[in-house]
Amino acid sequence: DTGVSQDPRHKITKRGQNVTFRCDPISEHNRLYWYRQTLGQGPEFLTYFQNEAQLEKSRLLSDRFSAERPKGSFSTLEIQRTEQGDSAMYLCASSLNRGGSYNEQFFGPGTRLTVL
Amino acid sequence: QQPVQSPQAVILREGEDAVINCSSSKALYSVHWYRQKHGEAPVFLMILLKGGEQKGHEKISASFNEKKQQSSLYLTASQLSYSGTYFCGTGLQGAQKLVFGQGTRLTINP
Repeated sequence: DTGVSQDPRHKITKRGQNVTFRCDPISEHNRLYWYRQTLGQGPEFLTYFQNEAQLEKSRLLSDRFSAERPKGSFSTLEIQRTEQGDSAMYLCASSLNRGGSYNEQFFGPGTRLTVL
Repeated sequence: QQPVQSPQAVILREGEDAVINCSSSKALYSVHWYRQKHGEAPVFLMILLKGGEQKGHEKISASFNEKKQQSSLYLTASQLSYSGTYFCGTGLQGAQKLVFGQGTRLTINP
């Protein structure tokens, strides 16, 4: 399977714990995005990388959230001191930058986080 | 800033047609359409750019009215597999992030 993969698919944690999610993009894609989706809503942008550089971060993203893409391949999203409001589906997407200002983003299956 | 989709939900019989609209108050550069089935990832359907360029699946058609900042997705001769929630994601010039609408739930009945 050459699509975007995410791990784990489901995570249940207690409030206050830290969690880390992993995303493996399509291999030749140089851009990687993180979105959050709550029930009945569209995906909400969190951050994106071009290669290893984090180029944009949503103003809605609190300091408890951090993302990395150390070698320009896979990415991790960490949430520290989780809160019940963090419960959501965390989606990763990747795209290939062809030099234009648009590109198709291909989504992974997501990690569903439940904070108790 | 979030685009507005209409209708919020639509129920069709197999073989009927549907139009889903996406409107923005911003001057858009791109509109991206996705379909998401329950518990699955959004699946790319089509991208439309300012200036008229389009790319997407052969069986999907869409339009982008730059004057109105509105896009429409046309689903003709609907099949049961078309069921799901359709999202439009909008992009601004020079921006990479997409801002998604709240979705349109499409149900196709036999």
